[in-house]
Amino acid sequence: DQQVKQNSPSLSVQEGRISILNCDYTNSMFDYFLWYKKYPAEGPTFLISISSIKDKNEDGRFTVFLNKSAKHLSLHIVPSQPGDSAVYFCAASSNFGNEKLTFGTGTRL
Amino acid sequence: EPEVTQTPSHQVTQMGQEVILRCVPISNHLYFYWYRQILGQKVEFLVSFYNNEISEKSEIFDDQFSVERPDGSNFTLKIRSTKLEDSAMYFCASNPGRGYNEQFFGPGTRLTVL
Repeated sequence: DQQVKQNSPSLSVQEGRISILNCDYTNSMFDYFLWYKKYPAEGPTFLISISSIKDKNEDGRFTVFLNKSAKHLSLHIVPSQPGDSAVYFCAASSNFGNEKLTFGTGTRL
Repeated sequence: EPEVTQTPSHQVTQMGQEVILRCVPISNHLYFYWYRQILGQKVEFLVSFYNNEISEKSEIFDDQFSVERPDGSNFTLKIRSTKLEDSAMYFCASNPGRGYNEQFFGPGTRLTVL
């Protein structure tokens, strides 16, 4: 059951450059998307989210883009910093609120 | 800043034994969740809990699993008879309530079943 997919298991980026992490989903019922950052032996930390009524949301160095017709979202980190090294998970939920999150497999940056 | 806490950080148990994983969600949050992550795999939903009852559970959450909010602050996950395949990181999460989709996760409990 691969409703949320992150096809790149790892990504290497130089400090100061842009990091682009991608995520695809298949379930049309998903209406809310989130990115979490996870360090080893810690829980996922919420980074940024976007509702399906938007196509972009920005918070500091982090921007999430949503292409609903392509069922694709991406997280841009500009500029990338050494402390950004972690595993990034894309997650999705229906917009009924408070619903379970369905996670992707993660991308190690 | 308020945070979700979980105890113990690491639990080692023998196959067939019962374990209880404990969580203290963020105060005033209304929705509570358990997820797990088997090593090298994605984070998987187990169960959600609201208003003192289960609101949704996954197929993983079979009769061996149960959840409880015994005293208004703790939120527990019990596994009655552990199996080797229950070895995983177990994460508790909480959510403020209606209108919020973000869930806030605890640091996790690593469960090792021998």
